[in-house]
Amino acid sequence: QKEVEQNSGPLSVPEGAIASLNCTYSDRGSQSFFWYRQYSGKSPELIMSIYSNGDKEDGRFTAQLNKASQYVSLLIRDSQPSDSATYLCAVISGGSNYKLTFGKGTLLTVNP
Amino acid sequence: SAVISQKPSRDICQRGTSLTIQCQVDSQVTMMFWYRQQPGQSLTLIATANQGSEATYESGFVIDKFPISRPNLTFSTLTVSNMSPEDSSIYLCSVSQGAREAFFGQGTRLTVV
Repeated sequence: QKEVEQNSGPLSVPEGAIASLNCTYSDRGSQSFFWYRQYSGKSPELIMSIYSNGDKEDGRFTAQLNKASQYVSLLIRDSQPSDSATYLCAVISGGSNYKLTFGKGTLLTVNP
Repeated sequence: SAVISQKPSRDICQRGTSLTIQCQVDSQVTMMFWYRQQPGQSLTLIATANQGSEATYESGFVIDKFPISRPNLTFSTLTVSNMSPEDSSIYLCSVSQGAREAFFGQGTRLTVV
């Protein structure tokens, strides 16, 4: 069973702080890694994708991938109340026919 | 990213009936998937919709309950058959070009009474 694990939270940070979200995965053959943001009552929205080891930055968001440790993280700098949502880690495992496996999600609250 | 139109956005249905959900994409896509998200839970994959052939179902999901069609590279339907209150959930269509980013439709919120 290929698994994706996330801290369920909730994670609460003050406005302007850095929010750090973590995810581990069980399949070493995993090839593609994604972070989705889901507001209550809405569908998931892709915010970051990462395919190779290292960091990838996009605005206030940085995704970090460490395949040796089977670990992927998302940092949100200068957190805003509008960042309050559930963040879902998703992985395409090797040999999965491109299917996404999702973690359970981390609920982030940014306090003004 | 592709523009995905999913219909209906919500419905309230009587138990024992069926509902067909449509997913239309504005461009051809390699992969189309159907997910279910129960209240307060993460996403669970129901099946991969295969163009021109039978869908590939995940463990716990069967074709008689969730028949899926995909007649071309831009359109798919999911039917929830013989509904019970336990089928009340959000159903989501997702599309991708292989091992790249996947995008979601706006979802269908189904309530079975």
